[in-house]
Amino acid sequence: DTAVSQTPKYLVTQMGNDKSIKCEQNLGHDTMYWYKQDSKKFLKIMFSYNNKELIINETVPNRFSPKSPDKAHLNLHINSLELGDSAVYFCASSHERQGAPNTGELFFGEGSRLTVL
Amino acid sequence: AQTVTQSQPEMSVQEAETVTLSCTYDTSENNYYLFWYKQPPSRQMILVIRQEAYKQQNATENRFSVNFQKAAKSFSLKISDSQLGDTAMYFCASGAGSYQLTFGKGTKLSVIP
Repeated sequence: DTAVSQTPKYLVTQMGNDKSIKCEQNLGHDTMYWYKQDSKKFLKIMFSYNNKELIINETVPNRFSPKSPDKAHLNLHINSLELGDSAVYFCASSHERQGAPNTGELFFGEGSRLTVL
Repeated sequence: AQTVTQSQPEMSVQEAETVTLSCTYDTSENNYYLFWYKQPPSRQMILVIRQEAYKQQNATENRFSVNFQKAAKSFSLKISDSQLGDTAMYFCASGAGSYQLTFGKGTKLSVIP
């Protein structure tokens, strides 16, 4: 019974295409995240949502648009894919309290490896 | 802004030996948490151990323990009795701010039989 699930796990596509990655968590958490892991394994936050509301939006190109239809889902849509978008994208969730430091662990999905040709 | 620095890109250890992975961080927050995550070749990120900054006692979790030096902003991970399954990337992370963790660049650990 997977806690945080992402689909697809692998995605190979051509430059210029539009693609989406879906994420769902069944942990009852109120905060969800997208992290990008580049070829050097560096993990960087892209977005975080709390109760469907965008909380963090790092300097990510406008081509990336997250959508949270409900607390259990956070999807990532990418327009006009570029070679530099090739990476592993991780969805994660946690239980947060507003105004408090991040006290809990992040529960990660298995990652989605995106390859842009 | 937070920063987390892992100065050892790669390390190796003989099976059954002990290894220590280094991590330093910088934050202006008074209340924060620190984490070590493990990423095996399977790619899944797994929490290894967590330390609350206001606790002086170092966290331990079976063979994993930390050496938390708050004044020095140092948070190293010690793995005792290394096992082949410990081979992975290890990421140090700081949770000083709400709604995100800041990760270091990782240390690739290889356990040699």
